[in-house]
Amino acid sequence: DAGITQSPRHKVTETGTPVTLRCHQTENHRYMYWYRQDPGHGLRLIHYSYGVKDTDKGEVSDGYSVSRSKTEDFLLTLESATSSQTSVYFCAVRGTVFPNEQFFGPGTRLTVL
Amino acid sequence: GQQLNQSPQSMFIQEGEDVSMNCTSSSIFNTWLWYKQEPGEGPVLLIALYKAGELTSNGRLTAQFGITRKDSFLNISASIPSDVGIYFCSISNFGNEKLTFGTGTRLTIIP
Repeated sequence: DAGITQSPRHKVTETGTPVTLRCHQTENHRYMYWYRQDPGHGLRLIHYSYGVKDTDKGEVSDGYSVSRSKTEDFLLTLESATSSQTSVYFCAVRGTVFPNEQFFGPGTRLTVL
Repeated sequence: GQQLNQSPQSMFIQEGEDVSMNCTSSSIFNTWLWYKQEPGEGPVLLIALYKAGELTSNGRLTAQFGITRKDSFLNISASIPSDVGIYFCSISNFGNEKLTFGTGTRLTIIP
């Protein structure tokens, strides 16, 4: 499982509140990713990181910010949650055996009421 | 962004049947990855393809990288109940840190 944990695993929050999701990895992977998964859309990249304090946007980055102050932790923040951000969020790391391979965490189910 | 079409969206089959699903892209890529996602879990890598025409097997699963580099298929032979899940194709190029995923094929096995 590439040593990836996500917290919390489930969260219910209200519109307008800030939310932070955490991804933690134990195997010193350089690249980390945040995706959201919605029915009919597959997995869509929100942001990714290529090192400590090095991040870049994905295809659906509006309304999200990220931070990576340590190699092992990648945080995803919804500054002011909206109902459209109700989704399942997955963290992933880039593997080192096969080119482009990624390993995924167990996911966080977020509901914004 | 890249257009990646995955079909079929869903499949209902009986145990023991063979399964075939495919993905097509609007552009050429040099990496095709196939993932499986079981309920409540993250996707797991099944097969990685890096060469046009390449045919790779993983147990009962076989995947091929199309010679045009714009398509790939995944076959599952003699399906069993644990094959249930959503199968995703994904594409990338060497040196690109990002993957683009298809919308998935949901496989259901009818008892």
